Amino acid sequence: AQKITQTQPGMFVQEKEAVTLDCTHDTSDPSYGLFWYKQPSSGEMIFLIYQGSYDQQNATEGRYSLNFQKARKSANLVISASQLGDSAMYFCAMREGGTSYGKLTFGQGTILTVHP
Amino acid sequence: DAGVTQSPTHLIKTRGQHVTLRCSPISGHKSVSWYQQVLGQGPQFIFQYYEKEERGRGNFPDRFSARQFPNYSSELNVNALLLGDSALYLCASSLAGNYGYTFGSGTRLTVV
Repeated sequence: AQKITQTQPGMFVQEKEAVTLDCTHDTSDPSYGLFWYKQPSSGEMIFLIYQGSYDQQNATEGRYSLNFQKARKSANLVISASQLGDSAMYFCAMREGGTSYGKLTFGQGTILTVHP
Repeated sequence: DAGVTQSPTHLIKTRGQHVTLRCSPISGHKSVSWYQQVLGQGPQFIFQYYEKEERGRGNFPDRFSARQFPNYSSELNVNALLLGDSALYLCASSLAGNYGYTFGSGTRLTVV
C-alpha cells in the first residue's frame, strides 16, 4: 500500500514569515494526484491545493504553493506570509491512478502554530 | 451552494450498539467517500461510492457497511460497536475531474 510521510509532527512560525511543510510518497504509479488539506480544531478538512503528477508547473493558490520534486517523490507545501489563522493541522494526501474518484491516502499530519 | 452536510454532528453510543451516519454531497457531485479519523492520526479510507456503486473499500471489518442512494446521499453503518470505533467520521464528495475532494465537518462518534 502506498504511504505518505510527513516527518514534522509540529512546526512553529512567526507571523508574516514563510513556512514549508514536508511531504513525501512512495508510489510507483506514474499517474497520481497530491493534495494538501488544512484541518482546524473544528474538524473540517479544508482543501488547499492540488498537484497532478503530469503537471508541468508547480501549483499555486494564493499564499499556498507546492514545491513539487517528482524524482524525489516530494510535494512540500509552502505557506507565505503566515497568519494567526493558519494555525491548524495540515495533511498531505495522495490519490493514485488517473481516475477522478480514487481513494485518498493521508499522511500523519503536521501541527502548525503561528506566533504573533 | 450548500457544502457537504453530515448528520449527526456528535453521537454517543454504547458498545455493541449499531450506528448510522448520514452524508449529503454537494449538488452535482456523484462520488461520496467515507473516512475514519482517530484522534491524532490522519484519516483512513473506509468506502467510496460513485454513481451508486461501491468503487473502493478500505481495510475495515465487515461490521462497516455503506450505501449510496439515487440522490447521491450516503449512509455509513457500523454494527456491534467497539470502543476503538470512537473517531471522527468524515464524508467527502467530489466532481469528476481533478478537483479537490470537499469534506463535511464530520460526525464525532464516541463509544462508551
